[in-house]
Amino acid sequence: GQQLNQSPQSMFIQEGEDVSMNCTSSSIFNTWLWYKQDPGEGPVLLIALYKAGELTSNGRLTAQFGITRKDSFLNISASIPSDVGIYFCAGKRSNAGNMLTFGGGTRLMVKP
Amino acid sequence: DGGITQSPKYLFRKEGQNVTLSCEQNLNHDAMYWYRQDPGQGLRLIYYSQIVNDFQKGDIAEGYSVSREKKESFPLTVTSAQKNPTAFYLCASSIEAAQPQHFGDGTRLSIL
Repeated sequence: GQQLNQSPQSMFIQEGEDVSMNCTSSSIFNTWLWYKQDPGEGPVLLIALYKAGELTSNGRLTAQFGITRKDSFLNISASIPSDVGIYFCAGKRSNAGNMLTFGGGTRLMVKP
Repeated sequence: DGGITQSPKYLFRKEGQNVTLSCEQNLNHDAMYWYRQDPGQGLRLIYYSQIVNDFQKGDIAEGYSVSREKKESFPLTVTSAQKNPTAFYLCASSIEAAQPQHFGDGTRLSIL
């Protein structure tokens, strides 16, 4: 299956800065998920979105389900060193057996 | 504690050998999944099972086999037919297919 287009591929930022990343597709999705993966570990679910236009927060993280249902955004405010890792978006299409399609990941590096 | 347990953490295989990766969950989840992750890339679906005694091929099933004889177990066999088996393998589960997936900590497979 096709991967979602996730950008940027990597980011190197200063501690305290805000971060923004996004995923886009030519297909319509009915669910968007955002995961974080630390080196050598499995991805951990951060935020799940189920409705177009939905805006959901989890601490310093905020994610939005795009109104066109073809994109999603993740923002991290006031980054800290433990935010380092790879962030993945994943989407489900209703005509794809509820299987997840993953983005290629955004590698975040934070300079103290 | 409830969770998904993958073993072993690291696995080495000689060329021409089959190897089996273990995935066990005590979350009482119906659905289980196997993904492959290559360096710098997202996750690709190998096989999935929505219920005991049933499983379906994912996007890259060639060279792999699975079984789902028990609800809590979904072992993956990497066969000698898989020509490029070196990768990080992730198992996931969800309450049902439409719900968010939660991941184990992965098994890194290398070829000697």
